[in-house]
Amino acid sequence: GQQVMQIPQYQHVQEGEDFTTYCNSSTTLSNIQWYKQRPGGHPVFLIQLVKSGEVKKQKRLTFQFGEAKKNSSLHITATQTTDVGTYFCAAVSNFGNEKLTFGTGTRLTIIP
Amino acid sequence: DAGVIQSPRHEVTEMGQEVTLRCKPISGHDYLFWYRQTMMRGLELLIYFNNNVPIDDSGMPEDRFSAKMPNASFSTLKIQPSEPRDSAVYFCASSPGLAGGFDGELFFGEGSRLTVL
Repeated sequence: GQQVMQIPQYQHVQEGEDFTTYCNSSTTLSNIQWYKQRPGGHPVFLIQLVKSGEVKKQKRLTFQFGEAKKNSSLHITATQTTDVGTYFCAAVSNFGNEKLTFGTGTRLTIIP
Repeated sequence: DAGVIQSPRHEVTEMGQEVTLRCKPISGHDYLFWYRQTMMRGLELLIYFNNNVPIDDSGMPEDRFSAKMPNASFSTLKIQPSEPRDSAVYFCASSPGLAGGFDGELFFGEGSRLTVL
Protein backbone atom coordinates (compact mmCIF):
# COMPACT_ATOMS: atom_id res chain seq x y z
CA GLY A 1 0.00 0.00 0.00
CA GLN A 2 0.91 3.62 -0.32
CA GLN A 3 3.22 4.95 2.36
CA VAL A 4 3.90 8.55 3.15
CA MET A 5 6.93 9.26 5.28
CA GLN A 6 7.68 12.46 7.10
CA ILE A 7 10.93 13.73 8.52
CA PRO A 8 11.89 14.66 11.09
CA GLN A 9 9.67 12.87 13.58
CA TYR A 10 10.37 15.52 16.22
CA GLN A 11 11.74 19.04 16.04
CA HIS A 12 12.59 21.36 18.90
CA VAL A 13 13.36 24.95 17.96
CA GLN A 14 13.95 28.20 19.74
CA GLU A 15 11.17 30.70 19.29
CA GLY A 16 11.98 32.82 16.28
CA GLU A 17 13.89 30.09 14.44
CA ASP A 18 12.65 28.54 11.23
CA PHE A 19 11.16 25.05 10.93
CA THR A 20 10.78 22.68 8.00
CA THR A 21 9.10 19.31 7.69
CA TYR A 22 9.38 17.05 4.65
CA CYS A 23 6.96 14.55 3.24
CA ASN A 24 8.02 11.78 0.85
CA SER A 25 6.07 9.20 -1.08
CA SER A 26 7.17 6.13 -3.00
CA THR A 27 4.47 6.75 -5.58
CA THR A 28 3.39 9.74 -7.63
CA LEU A 29 0.72 11.72 -5.87
CA SER A 30 -2.42 13.25 -7.26
CA ASN A 31 -2.33 15.94 -4.62
CA ILE A 32 -1.18 16.54 -1.09
CA GLN A 33 -2.83 18.14 1.89
CA TRP A 34 -1.34 19.49 5.11
CA TYR A 35 -2.95 19.38 8.54
CA LYS A 36 -2.00 20.71 11.96
CA GLN A 37 -2.93 19.01 15.19
CA ARG A 38 -2.48 20.92 18.44
CA PRO A 39 -1.64 18.87 21.55
CA GLY A 40 -4.83 17.16 22.71
CA GLY A 41 -6.70 18.41 19.65
CA HIS A 42 -7.82 17.16 16.30
CA PRO A 43 -6.24 17.59 12.86
CA VAL A 44 -7.16 20.84 11.16
CA PHE A 45 -6.78 21.37 7.43
CA LEU A 46 -4.18 23.91 6.37
CA ILE A 47 -3.86 23.67 2.60
CA GLN A 48 -3.98 21.49 -0.51
CA LEU A 49 -1.41 21.39 -3.30
CA VAL A 50 -2.26 19.95 -6.68
CA LYS A 51 0.15 21.13 -9.36
CA SER A 52 3.70 19.96 -9.93
CA GLY A 53 6.14 22.47 -8.42
CA GLU A 54 3.34 24.42 -6.77
CA VAL A 55 4.23 26.85 -3.99
CA LYS A 56 1.64 28.39 -1.68
CA LYS A 57 2.05 30.76 1.24
CA GLN A 58 -0.05 31.44 4.31
CA LYS A 59 1.54 34.24 6.31
CA ARG A 60 4.68 32.63 7.81
CA LEU A 61 3.94 29.19 6.30
CA THR A 62 5.25 28.15 2.88
CA PHE A 63 4.11 24.92 1.25
CA GLN A 64 5.80 23.29 -1.72
CA PHE A 65 4.92 20.36 -3.95
CA GLY A 66 7.81 18.68 -5.73
CA GLU A 67 8.23 18.71 -9.47
CA ALA A 68 7.82 14.93 -9.61
CA LYS A 69 4.81 15.10 -7.26
CA LYS A 70 6.44 12.62 -4.89
CA ASN A 71 7.43 14.99 -2.13
CA SER A 72 6.31 18.11 -0.34
CA SER A 73 7.53 20.44 2.35
CA LEU A 74 6.15 22.85 4.90
CA HIS A 75 8.38 25.69 6.05
CA ILE A 76 7.55 28.02 8.94
CA THR A 77 9.50 31.26 9.21
CA ALA A 78 10.21 32.76 12.63
CA THR A 79 8.30 30.26 14.71
CA GLN A 80 5.98 31.38 17.48
CA THR A 81 4.63 29.48 20.47
CA THR A 82 1.31 29.19 18.68
CA ASP A 83 2.98 26.99 16.07
CA VAL A 84 3.34 24.14 18.56
CA GLY A 85 1.72 20.93 17.39
CA THR A 86 2.08 18.02 15.02
CA TYR A 87 2.08 18.68 11.29
CA PHE A 88 0.80 15.96 9.00
CA CYS A 89 0.89 15.65 5.28
CA ALA A 90 -1.85 13.57 3.70
CA ALA A 91 -1.87 12.34 0.14
CA VAL A 92 -4.01 10.77 -2.51
CA SER A 93 -2.02 8.55 -4.85
CA ASN A 94 -4.36 8.47 -7.81
CA PHE A 95 -7.23 10.75 -8.63
CA GLY A 96 -10.42 8.78 -8.09
CA ASN A 97 -8.89 6.83 -5.21
CA GLU A 98 -10.65 8.63 -2.42
CA LYS A 99 -8.41 7.34 0.32
CA LEU A 100 -6.31 9.98 2.00
CA THR A 101 -3.20 8.46 3.54
CA PHE A 102 -1.66 10.43 6.37
CA GLY A 103 2.05 10.78 6.89
CA THR A 104 3.74 9.92 10.15
CA GLY A 105 3.74 13.53 11.31
CA THR A 106 6.35 15.93 12.67
CA ARG A 107 5.91 17.11 16.24
CA LEU A 108 7.11 20.67 16.70
CA THR A 109 7.92 22.06 20.11
CA ILE A 110 9.01 25.65 20.70
CA ILE A 111 11.51 26.70 23.32
CA PRO A 112 10.51 30.19 24.50
CA ASP B 1 -22.31 25.03 11.62
CA ALA B 2 -21.46 22.98 14.70
CA GLY B 3 -18.84 20.92 12.91
CA VAL B 4 -18.40 17.17 13.21
CA ILE B 5 -19.76 15.97 16.53
CA GLN B 6 -18.46 12.85 18.22
CA SER B 7 -19.51 11.10 21.39
CA PRO B 8 -18.43 10.07 23.88
CA ARG B 9 -15.32 12.23 24.24
CA HIS B 10 -13.82 9.75 26.68
CA GLU B 11 -14.63 6.12 27.33
CA VAL B 12 -13.01 3.80 29.81
CA THR B 13 -14.14 0.21 29.67
CA GLU B 14 -13.01 -3.25 30.59
CA MET B 15 -11.74 -5.85 28.20
CA GLY B 16 -14.55 -7.82 26.63
CA GLN B 17 -17.12 -5.05 26.82
CA GLU B 18 -18.86 -3.61 23.78
CA VAL B 19 -17.96 -0.07 22.80
CA THR B 20 -20.01 2.16 20.52
CA LEU B 21 -18.65 5.44 19.21
CA ARG B 22 -20.94 7.92 17.51
CA CYS B 23 -20.50 10.59 14.89
CA LYS B 24 -22.65 13.31 13.38
CA PRO B 25 -21.05 14.69 10.21
CA ILE B 26 -21.43 18.20 8.90
CA SER B 27 -24.72 18.57 7.09
CA GLY B 28 -24.33 18.28 3.34
CA HIS B 29 -21.05 16.39 3.44
CA ASP B 30 -21.21 13.27 1.30
CA TYR B 31 -18.16 11.52 2.73
CA LEU B 32 -17.58 10.20 6.23
CA PHE B 33 -14.35 8.70 7.49
CA TRP B 34 -13.35 6.86 10.66
CA TYR B 35 -9.68 7.17 11.67
CA ARG B 36 -7.79 5.71 14.60
CA GLN B 37 -4.77 7.47 16.11
CA THR B 38 -2.11 5.87 18.28
CA MET B 39 1.46 6.83 19.06
CA MET B 40 2.77 3.69 17.41
CA ARG B 41 0.70 3.66 14.22
CA GLY B 42 -0.24 7.29 13.73
CA LEU B 43 -3.47 8.12 11.91
CA GLU B 44 -4.99 5.05 10.29
CA LEU B 45 -8.05 5.07 8.06
CA LEU B 46 -10.46 2.39 9.23
CA ILE B 47 -13.42 2.82 6.90
CA TYR B 48 -15.15 5.46 4.84
CA PHE B 49 -18.63 6.01 3.48
CA ASN B 50 -19.96 7.86 0.47
CA ASN B 51 -23.63 8.83 0.63
CA ASN B 52 -24.10 6.44 3.56
CA VAL B 53 -22.64 3.47 1.66
CA PRO B 54 -19.43 1.85 2.95
CA ILE B 55 -16.84 2.15 0.20
CA ASP B 56 -13.65 0.78 1.70
CA ASP B 57 -13.34 -1.05 5.00
CA SER B 58 -9.93 -2.55 4.34
CA GLY B 59 -8.51 -0.64 7.29
CA MET B 60 -10.82 -2.24 9.84
CA PRO B 61 -8.46 -4.30 12.01
CA GLU B 62 -10.62 -7.37 12.42
CA ASP B 63 -14.13 -8.68 12.71
CA ARG B 64 -14.50 -7.20 16.16
CA PHE B 65 -14.86 -3.83 14.48
CA SER B 66 -17.96 -2.78 12.59
CA ALA B 67 -19.29 0.53 11.31
CA LYS B 68 -22.67 1.66 10.11
CA MET B 69 -24.18 4.78 8.62
CA PRO B 70 -27.96 4.39 8.71
CA ASN B 71 -28.55 7.91 7.44
CA ALA B 72 -26.70 11.00 6.28
CA SER B 73 -26.48 12.50 9.74
CA PHE B 74 -25.29 9.60 11.87
CA SER B 75 -22.60 6.94 11.96
CA THR B 76 -21.40 4.45 14.54
CA LEU B 77 -18.21 2.52 15.06
CA LYS B 78 -18.63 -0.53 17.25
CA ILE B 79 -16.01 -2.73 18.87
CA GLN B 80 -17.21 -6.03 20.29
CA PRO B 81 -15.51 -7.42 22.26
CA SER B 82 -13.02 -4.71 23.09
CA GLU B 83 -9.37 -5.45 23.89
CA PRO B 84 -6.63 -3.34 25.53
CA ARG B 85 -4.86 -2.93 22.17
CA ASP B 86 -7.93 -1.07 20.90
CA SER B 87 -7.05 1.82 23.19
CA ALA B 88 -6.65 4.87 20.96
CA VAL B 89 -8.26 8.11 19.90
CA TYR B 90 -10.92 7.49 17.28
CA PHE B 91 -11.65 10.38 14.94
CA CYS B 92 -14.59 10.83 12.68
CA ALA B 93 -14.17 13.20 9.75
CA SER B 94 -16.46 14.36 6.99
CA SER B 95 -15.82 15.92 3.61
CA PRO B 96 -18.02 17.65 1.07
CA GLY B 97 -16.32 16.01 -1.87
CA LEU B 98 -13.81 13.60 -3.24
CA ALA B 99 -10.42 13.50 -1.55
CA GLY B 100 -8.10 15.02 -4.08
CA GLY B 101 -10.84 17.10 -5.55
CA PHE B 102 -11.06 20.80 -4.95
CA ASP B 103 -13.43 20.24 -2.03
CA GLY B 104 -11.74 17.19 -0.54
CA GLU B 105 -10.74 18.86 2.72
CA LEU B 106 -11.42 16.72 5.79
CA PHE B 107 -13.21 18.22 8.77
CA PHE B 108 -12.38 16.26 11.91
CA GLY B 109 -14.40 15.86 15.05
CA GLU B 110 -12.74 16.28 18.42
CA GLY B 111 -12.27 12.54 18.77
CA SER B 112 -13.27 9.82 21.20
CA ARG B 113 -10.48 8.71 23.51
CA LEU B 114 -10.96 5.02 24.29
CA THR B 115 -9.18 3.21 27.09
CA VAL B 116 -9.71 -0.51 27.43
CA LEU B 117 -8.45 -1.94 30.71
